[in-house]
Amino acid sequence: DGGITQSPKYLFRKEGQNVTLSCEQNLNHDAMYWYRQDPGQGLRLIYYSQIVNDFQKGDIAEGYSVSREKKESFPLTVTSAQKNPTAFYLCASNSFTRGGYNEQFFGPGTRLTVL
Amino acid sequence: QKEVEQNSGPLSVPEGAIASLNCTYSDRGSQSFFWYRQYSGKSPELIMSIYSNGDKEDGRFTAQLNKASQYVSLLIRDSQPSDSATYLCAVTPSGTYKYIFGTGTRLKVLA
Repeated sequence: DGGITQSPKYLFRKEGQNVTLSCEQNLNHDAMYWYRQDPGQGLRLIYYSQIVNDFQKGDIAEGYSVSREKKESFPLTVTSAQKNPTAFYLCASNSFTRGGYNEQFFGPGTRLTVL
Repeated sequence: QKEVEQNSGPLSVPEGAIASLNCTYSDRGSQSFFWYRQYSGKSPELIMSIYSNGDKEDGRFTAQLNKASQYVSLLIRDSQPSDSATYLCAVTPSGTYKYIFGTGTRLKVLA
């Protein structure tokens, strides 16, 4: 079964803690993305990666970090520098076969709550 | 000016009617356009993609793209209560690998 998995589904963070959200895909997609969604709002881009060992900041990268050591994996770390991390985090991936803009698919998401 | 704009709704339609959702975008060089459905508490699910001017039909869904006027729309025929969700429009502007999402239109289909 091909798809995108995210874990955990729910995550609780104490003040001052770093937490890491997992994202794995077996779709053989080159590109992977992290978005944040706040209640009643659209998706905001945190980081994205087109190839292994390379990634770019999105619109709200402050307080977050990523790595792309394997094609299948794109973990996101929410650091203590992120002052308002409570949100729904979505990982997405896509391939490049139509001039660079193929359909993008989403994982089930991780809901992060700061205690 | 927002890059992708959608009316937040809610858009209420009776069961069996046609729901019409609209999206406008600012980058004239945008190449690809997508519609996603998102149920409350769930992740977005791709329902339509369109890359060239005109209409594209898939079952009860029709996407319409007009690049000259910079809008893309989604028609849902024979609307069902299960279609009640938020519909997100996404656009890929030129010169970037980003996908820009609108804030979504909430659709309510009344039984």
